[in-house]
Amino acid sequence: QKEVEQDPGPLSVPEGAIVSLNCTYSNSAFQYFMWYRQYSRKGPELLMYTYSSGNKEDGRFTAQVDKSSKYISLFIRDSQPSDSATYLCAMSAWKGTYKYIFGTGTRLKVLA
Amino acid sequence: DSGVTQTPKHLITATGQRVTLRCSPRSGDLSVYWYQQSLDQGLQFLIHYYNGEERAKGNILERFSAQQFPDLHSELNLSSLELGDSALYFCASSAGLAGVPGSYEQYFGPGTRLTVT
Repeated sequence: QKEVEQDPGPLSVPEGAIVSLNCTYSNSAFQYFMWYRQYSRKGPELLMYTYSSGNKEDGRFTAQVDKSSKYISLFIRDSQPSDSATYLCAMSAWKGTYKYIFGTGTRLKVLA
Repeated sequence: DSGVTQTPKHLITATGQRVTLRCSPRSGDLSVYWYQQSLDQGLQFLIHYYNGEERAKGNILERFSAQQFPDLHSELNLSSLELGDSALYFCASSAGLAGVPGSYEQYFGPGTRLTVT
C-alpha cells in the first residue's frame, strides 16, 4: 500500500463547477499537508499548505484536512479553464524521521 | 518564475552514457531536492541536500548520485543510463528542512527532460 493515494483522474468539469480533489494517507506521522498545481511540461507550484485539521481558504481554493480519517481535500470554486492542470497533494513529516511524499496527481480539465 | 534554475532543459543521450544535471536554488534557500517524474511513476523523491550535506534519500538508484556545492548549487549525476531513466528531472529548493515550520514550501525549477535512446 502506498503511503499517499490520489485518484489519477482525469476529471472533466464544466466551467463554474465546484471541484473536489482528494488524497488519503496511511502514515499518522504526517504533519504538513500541501497542494501543488502542475501545468503540462512545467514544474509543480505550491498552491496551499495546512498544518492542522480543519479548513483553510485562499480565494477560490479551500484545503481541508481530516487527520482522524487521514484524508485531505482541495476544493476549487467557480472553476475556470485556466485551472486545467494536474493537482498533486504532498505531505511531510519531520519528527523522528524525515519524509516528503507526493501523491501521483489528479488531472483536471475545466471545459469552457 | 520560481527562482530555481535548471540546466539543460533537454538532454538526449544513449544508453550506457553518463550525464550531469545542474540546479541553482532560489537565493537564500539552503535545501535542494531532486525528483524524477515519469508518466507511470509520478513524482518520485530522489535525494535532499541541506547546506551541503545529504539529509535524506528516497528512491534513488545506485547509478545516480548528487552533491551540493559550497555556493549551494547542486548537481545530479546519472550514469550507465538505461531507457527507463528517460523522465523529467526536477530540482526544488526551500529555505530549510521540509516539515520544519517555514520550510514546508518547495519551489520547483522548470525541469530537465532526459531522453535515453
